[in-house]
Amino acid sequence: GAVVSQHPSWVICKSGTSVKIECRSLDFQATTMFWYRQFPKQSLMLMATSNEGSKATYEQGVEKDKFLINHASLTLSTLTVTSAHPEDSSFYICSALSPLGGATYNEQFFGPGTRLTVL
Amino acid sequence: AQSVTQLDSQVPVFEEAPVELRCNYSSSVSVYLFWYVQYPNQGLQLLLKYLSGSTLVESINGFEAEFNKSQTSFHLRKPSVHISDTAEYFCAVSSRQAGTALIFGKGTTLSVSS
Repeated sequence: GAVVSQHPSWVICKSGTSVKIECRSLDFQATTMFWYRQFPKQSLMLMATSNEGSKATYEQGVEKDKFLINHASLTLSTLTVTSAHPEDSSFYICSALSPLGGATYNEQFFGPGTRLTVL
Repeated sequence: AQSVTQLDSQVPVFEEAPVELRCNYSSSVSVYLFWYVQYPNQGLQLLLKYLSGSTLVESINGFEAEFNKSQTSFHLRKPSVHISDTAEYFCAVSSRQAGTALIFGKGTTLSVSS
């Protein structure tokens, strides 16, 4: 099956620094990737939709200047948390749409997630 | 827009007992429906999905879910659970438009004890 990786799997940083999280589709090309955020014991909240070669589409309430998304290739999307603060600590999960499945359905494959802790 | 409601935040059961995790959705358009499982400290895994056709869908590990359009539900069931089924279960929905994201419910923690 399709595999999506994330790097790093966990990161601890100081308040005020920036952190970059990578999401890669390892065995397929994904024109669309999604970034989600999951708080402890809570659901996944969609942050943004990342389309290769174009600007990301952010959900309401998500600061696009704080959460920079770049989808520079068909296999890589990055999420940069700029000037991180403790309230940004969370589990960040990406998913990639597989081109397989026909014209009407494209399955999403999820990365294993990145746990960010901001001190 | 779509929304998902998982009616039970926690479901404790004993091993070999049956279980039902409830999920209701709201949408103004036709949708696809999914159940995902998340084991502790791991990512999401697709458990089963409803795209079209038979309203009863099954997974390889004994779970099943039934799409009920009139009740806008997609409840997950298993006739006999194992300790290893302990995990967080998320119901999700997406519109049938290509390229749309999943909208998740808040999750149900299934705890199976002996």
